[in-house]
Formats: sequence, C-alpha cells, structure tokens
Amino acid sequence: GAGVSQTPSNKVTEKGKYVELRCDPISGHTALYWYRQSLGQGPEFLIYFQGTGAADDSGLPNDRFFAVRPEGSVSTLKIQRTERGDSAVYLCASSNLDTQYFGPGTRLTVL
Amino acid sequence: ELKVEQNPLFLSMQEGKNYTIYCNYSTTSDRLYWYRQDPGKSLESLFVLLSNGAVKQEGRLMASLDTKARLSTLHITAAVHDLSATYFCAVEGNAGNMLTFGGGTRLMVKP
Repeated sequence: GAGVSQTPSNKVTEKGKYVELRCDPISGHTALYWYRQSLGQGPEFLIYFQGTGAADDSGLPNDRFFAVRPEGSVSTLKIQRTERGDSAVYLCASSNLDTQYFGPGTRLTVL
Repeated sequence: ELKVEQNPLFLSMQEGKNYTIYCNYSTTSDRLYWYRQDPGKSLESLFVLLSNGAVKQEGRLMASLDTKARLSTLHITAAVHDLSATYFCAVEGNAGNMLTFGGGTRLMVKP
C-alpha cells in the first residue's frame, strides 16, 4: 500500500501569513505524529494523535501552531502569523503502535 | 527530560573499513530506532530494538541495544559508498508515544 504522503512538498510564504500543511497517513494507522526538522538537526516532536484526539501536544512551540485530525485519518498542521523562524521541514509519521513511518515532508520557507 | 546524544556527528571513512556509531540516552526507554536519511529525503526506518541485548543485522549494518548502559550502537562492516547518508537514532519514551532524536551522524564513505 501507499506510504505516508504530505502536501504540499514545498511552501513559500511571507511573514505573517497563515499556512496549512496536510498529512495522509498509512491506511489503518491509528497513531499520527508531526515533527519539525531544521537544517542539520534531528526531527523534533510537535504533536501526537491517537485516533481523532491529540494525545500529546507538548511539542507545539506556541499557540500559533495547531493541528487537527477530525476523522482519525488525514491531519492538518496549521500555523498562524508565520515567522521566519518557522522555516523548516515539517515531517509527518504514522504507526500502528509499532515503527513510525515518515512521509517525505513539507519544506516551509517563510520570507 | 529525555536526551539523546550521538557520536560522532560526522564520519568520513574509506570503503572497506569498519566503524561504529554510538547513541546514548538519558532515561529508561521502551524502544530504540535507527533511521537513515539521504539529503533532501525523508527518514527510512532501519531497525527497531525492543529489549536489552537485542541485536539486528541488515546487510552491512548491525544495531545493538544495552538498556542498562542506555547505549545503542550501529556498526558498519566493510563500508561502501551507497551507505553515505545521515543516520539518526531515536528513543521512544512510552509505547505509542513520541520519538526523541539524536543529532544525527553524517556518514561519508569515500571510494
């Protein structure tokens, strides 16, 4: 079956704008994770969903960041009033309480 | 707070040589993962280690876990150029929960 997919692959926006990043997990995977990876660093955890609910959002850096997973499948990461420091690759992963499988990521650039 | 440290951060080696990458973590964990990342790509799962003394091998790569020492190693045997990539270890704090990544080891294998 298909792996984790993410859209868009690249997003360029201006400081202060709103962006949405989408993640389609592997079919049947109940757990979904968002991570952020800055250049030359390992991914950093943002938020974890089990089904429709956010089981752990302790990694979200501030209240400009929000994520939803209304039907327990697709998830959207939403960033308000983007700042240049938000520029990074946003990775989504899914699992069935086993190995986490990562998507290709969305490269966000805030000008 | 769980901390994960890898060393070395950068490794340049000749084809045919052996080397080991080390991953130390600060608190008890259920699972440890090794991922590979090629430039501009997402993370590819290599190994998941679930118990003390676990050893897994795939081709020229072998991973082991010592939960008492809170140490995992990734051993490279007779390196080839195709192994050039960045390798991350990641530790899971609780089953089904987020991963904490090390800083990565950038491996370059020279012909």
